[in-house]
Amino acid sequence: SQTIHQWPATLVQPVGSPLSLECTVEGTSNPNLYWYRQAAGRGLQLLFYSVGIGQISSEVPQNLSASRPQDRQFILSSKKLLLSDSGFYLCAWSVSTSGRQFFGPGTRLTVL
Amino acid sequence: RKEVEQDPGPFNVPEGATVAFNCTYSNSASQSFFWYRQDCRKEPKLLMSVYSSGNEDGRFTAQLNRASQYISLLIRDSKLSDSATYLCVVPLADRGSTLGRLYFGRGTQLTVWP
Repeated sequence: SQTIHQWPATLVQPVGSPLSLECTVEGTSNPNLYWYRQAAGRGLQLLFYSVGIGQISSEVPQNLSASRPQDRQFILSSKKLLLSDSGFYLCAWSVSTSGRQFFGPGTRLTVL
Repeated sequence: RKEVEQDPGPFNVPEGATVAFNCTYSNSASQSFFWYRQDCRKEPKLLMSVYSSGNEDGRFTAQLNRASQYISLLIRDSKLSDSATYLCVVPLADRGSTLGRLYFGRGTQLTVWP
């Protein structure tokens, strides 16, 4: 069966510090991978998606970047965090033909 | 008009009650739909998929009205454990794309009390 992992689970970082969040998927090959952010009291916002290694599409201009160095690894990064980067970051995977997405447990980021 | 709109609630119902959530979507080309459940401070989890006029899974019934671009989720005999936020989800309309991109509603909050 497929599983998706994210770490860390929680993170508190000062403004201006770098960020690296990692997501890995097991039990499937060539998944579509997604990064979402959910701010407090708000809906899910798609940040990045990837259909293959090295292929990244950005949904909104922002202070973040993503990379996919391996088929089942997706990384979200920032060089300098802003207060507005605080939120719940969720990684998801899908098999393209079904459209359904399955989420990792998320990383709760607080920028102080 | 937003891609997906939901009544945010909150809905507060007693155990055993029947409750219904509504959702409207803007893209008439969308073919399949989903309801996700999100517990407080947890990730969303797939609850039901809706591919035709609707489907039923135990106490949960999802209905689709393509003419009105309207989706509903009905929960019968509510349990305390049904308390969560329910997200209506609509895929990007099929244009030959295989990305499986989804639009998420902001969610409807449900609290079931004893």
